[in-house]
Amino acid sequence: AQSVTQPDIHITVSEGASLELRCNYSYGATPYLFWYVQSPGQGLQLLLKYFSGDTLVQGIKGFEAEFKRSQSSFNLRKPSVHWSDAAEYFCAVGEARGAQKLVFGQGTRLTINP
Amino acid sequence: GAGVSQSPSNKVTEKGKDVELRCDPISGHTALYWYRQRLGQGLEFLIYFQGNSAPDKSGLPSDRFSAERTGESVSTLTIQRTQQEDSAVYLCASSPSRMNVLTFGAGSRLTVL
Repeated sequence: AQSVTQPDIHITVSEGASLELRCNYSYGATPYLFWYVQSPGQGLQLLLKYFSGDTLVQGIKGFEAEFKRSQSSFNLRKPSVHWSDAAEYFCAVGEARGAQKLVFGQGTRLTINP
Repeated sequence: GAGVSQSPSNKVTEKGKDVELRCDPISGHTALYWYRQRLGQGLEFLIYFQGNSAPDKSGLPSDRFSAERTGESVSTLTIQRTQQEDSAVYLCASSPSRMNVLTFGAGSRLTVL
């Protein structure tokens, strides 16, 4: 069964600084990988996804993520964070065949210092 | 509909009572998921429906939890004899078949007193 680990429970960065949120997955075959964001009082929103092809994927709000099979990682990055990026970020892994269940990590809470 | 609709948005109940939570997925989405999110925690998978296939119930925490879905339409999550540890936000999501891009509803917040 697939599993996801987000090693950082809470990260604080200054506005304008770069950001990297870590995600490691465990899955025996080619996974589908996702990052979702949950802003305070808001629902979950898809940031980006990886199904196949180019291992560097671009998402909304200036986020990108890189799939590294050798490291079983799918880290989320942003060159310069904005105060509005403060939120909870969830990495998820799904099976690459059909619409199977998604397994989510425990989330990383991002705080932005002014 | 335009999005995933969940009701009620908030439910307060007494310990031992039964509750039903409803999810209306996006029209045409064959996959439907229920997740639980306790305060300050991640998403815990509960159950997954895909078309007319047998549901994946591997995440249901106890036999007090059950869910139904008729075809590719509305789903109901039922919690019997609620306990205080059932207090959480219950999230429903749907996705098109074979794509795995989930669209989430706003959730149903359950408080068990």
